[in-house]
Amino acid sequence: DVKVTQSSRYLVKRTGEKVFLECVQDMDHENMFWYRQDPGLGLRLIYFSYDVKMKEKGDIPEGYSVSREKKERFSLILESASTNQTSMYLCASSQGQGGANEQFFGPGTRLTVL
Amino acid sequence: GDSVTQMEGPVTLSEEAFLTINCTYTATGYPSLFWYVQYPGEGLQLLLKATKADDKGSNKGFEATYRKETTSFHLEKGSVQVSDSAVYFCALSDETGDYKLSFGAGTTVTVRA
Repeated sequence: DVKVTQSSRYLVKRTGEKVFLECVQDMDHENMFWYRQDPGLGLRLIYFSYDVKMKEKGDIPEGYSVSREKKERFSLILESASTNQTSMYLCASSQGQGGANEQFFGPGTRLTVL
Repeated sequence: GDSVTQMEGPVTLSEEAFLTINCTYTATGYPSLFWYVQYPGEGLQLLLKATKADDKGSNKGFEATYRKETTSFHLEKGSVQVSDSAVYFCALSDETGDYKLSFGAGTTVTVRA
């Protein structure tokens, strides 16, 4: 069974803390994605990666960075967490090139920044 | 840029009722279109997709037809069950092949027994 796992289901952090969200996929997929999900806004793409050590900005990259040192792992970093980064964060992966390929999602991390 | 507009919820139905969720899109060229579903406490999973005009995607009793003339991809199910309670997202991927999906806002559907 294909799987995308995220390091935490729930996380509470304080303003100004550095936050790491980890994502691991076991499908040998080339592409990995980080989204945030907010009510009424759907999913918005933060960053994506189509290869190890490669990264591309999505629609809302401000305040975030990413790291992909290994093919199976894609980390999202909040350098200095702020309250407006309170959200649900979803990681996804997909195989190969082409926009028609299915993305597989992890269960999400609900981050609260106090 | 690309965008997806889907009908606002929440939608509440009785079991065996007919479900329609409207979705329209704006994109250049010929995008691929998707419906993803998110069950409570889970991540999204692909429900169905269509990659060219007039294609019909279907899965688990759900159907959607890619209508280029009306730029629409409406989701339908003839007889819903309580287990269909979820959030449904319409999405598109443009033909440039840059892997990105553009999502609608999501529609929450609750089916009551």
